Amino acid sequence: GQQVMQIPQYQHVQEGEDFTTYCNSSTTLSNIQWYKQRPGGHPVFLIQLVKSGEVKKQKRLTFQFGEAKKNSSLHITATQTTDVGTYFCAGPGGYSGAGSYQLTFGKGTKLSVIP
Amino acid sequence: GAGVSQSPRYKVAKRGQDVALRCDPISGHVSLFWYQQALGQGPEFLTYFQNEAQLDKSGLPSDRFFAERPEGSVSTLKIQRTQQEDSAVYLCASSLSRLAFYNEQFFGPGTRLTVL
Repeated sequence: GQQVMQIPQYQHVQEGEDFTTYCNSSTTLSNIQWYKQRPGGHPVFLIQLVKSGEVKKQKRLTFQFGEAKKNSSLHITATQTTDVGTYFCAGPGGYSGAGSYQLTFGKGTKLSVIP
Repeated sequence: GAGVSQSPRYKVAKRGQDVALRCDPISGHVSLFWYQQALGQGPEFLTYFQNEAQLDKSGLPSDRFFAERPEGSVSTLKIQRTQQEDSAVYLCASSLSRLAFYNEQFFGPGTRLTVL
């Protein structure tokens, strides 16, 4: 079935440094979503990308969807301590293929920011 | 406005006990998902409801897991004869429309289940 791989698993950065997490799928995705989960919290939706090559920005966050719609990235410029958390990408599909309503999450990238 | 709520927030069960986890989605949300999240992992899909219809239960790990949403709002995830490997956080999420994975999902705070 479809898998979504995320790298790196962990990232420690100094406050003010940039951060990037990458998401790769074994199959072409119709869309991809990004979520953030703060320590002890629940996932919170950040954004959805649908078009090939799409780039979206939210303040210091930049999201990209690859031309082949098989990969995506999230880049944070000048990290702040409020950026701490685990960032997940999620794509549709999964085990059951046709008729599946699954959203398959990557394992996430855990970001630590050193003040 | 009110978000997705789940109860209980924490549950400790002895191995072999049955448990029931409740999810109150955002009012009017058509789609409802259950996920299992192990420590340090991403949420893993369990099952999906569109209103009261369970359209996808391919992620339920065994026949000990059962979910229902009889009136298209509140949902219950039931685990029978709990095992230690069932220990995890169980997350419920809802979204507005029937376009299940094309819409933002709103997650509840989760129920942390510990099976001793």
